[in-house]
Amino acid sequence: ILNVEQSPQSLHVQEGDSTNFTCSFPSSNFYALHWYRWETAKSPEALFVMTLNGDEKKKGRISATLNTKEGYSYLYIKGSQPEDSATYLCAFKTGGGADGLTFGKGTHLIIQP
Amino acid sequence: DAMVIQNPRYQVTQFGKPVTLSCSQTLNHNVMYWYQQKSSQAPKLLFHYYDKDFNNEADTPDNFQSRRPNTSFCFLDIRSPGLGDAAMYLCATSIFPPASSTDTQYFGPGTRLTVL
Repeated sequence: ILNVEQSPQSLHVQEGDSTNFTCSFPSSNFYALHWYRWETAKSPEALFVMTLNGDEKKKGRISATLNTKEGYSYLYIKGSQPEDSATYLCAFKTGGGADGLTFGKGTHLIIQP
Repeated sequence: DAMVIQNPRYQVTQFGKPVTLSCSQTLNHNVMYWYQQKSSQAPKLLFHYYDKDFNNEADTPDNFQSRRPNTSFCFLDIRSPGLGDAAMYLCATSIFPPASSTDTQYFGPGTRLTVL
């Protein structure tokens, strides 16, 4: 059984502060690690897909790193804004087939003005 | 804009009364997925269609069925909903084989099912 763990479960951050949270996943049979942002009443939005150990990806103020050998990924948000409030989900994929993703429970981020 | 659409967004059904959730996509993707997310839990894959081939997850209850009449539409049928089936149901699509290893899945906004 694959287990994807995210921490913390929830996080309150002051506007303007930077923050980060963690996704841990099995280090064996790794194919890809996905990050999604899910705002209330909207569709989960893909942020990053990372496949290589040491990968770093950036999209605006959000960036992510990947360590496949030890089985973790960090998501960083620099200078948090109220619109960053969302649940951030990570998901793990084994193999390159059409199979689905194994998700963590998410980190619920609230940015306080 | 190409997208994944789910109807209805909110569905209320009675214990034991069959219910169907709908998903459509304009992305022309050949793979469609159904995920179930119960409160405070991770989204969990129920099954997926690769073209017309149905792939059920080993632990998906028999109470859950799916139909894919064409590329664009996929339905989730719950034959006899129980209180434990109350959840958010997410539909997603992808293309296989992917153009690159970083291709992702595209999600609809979900249908929240309440069972009374």
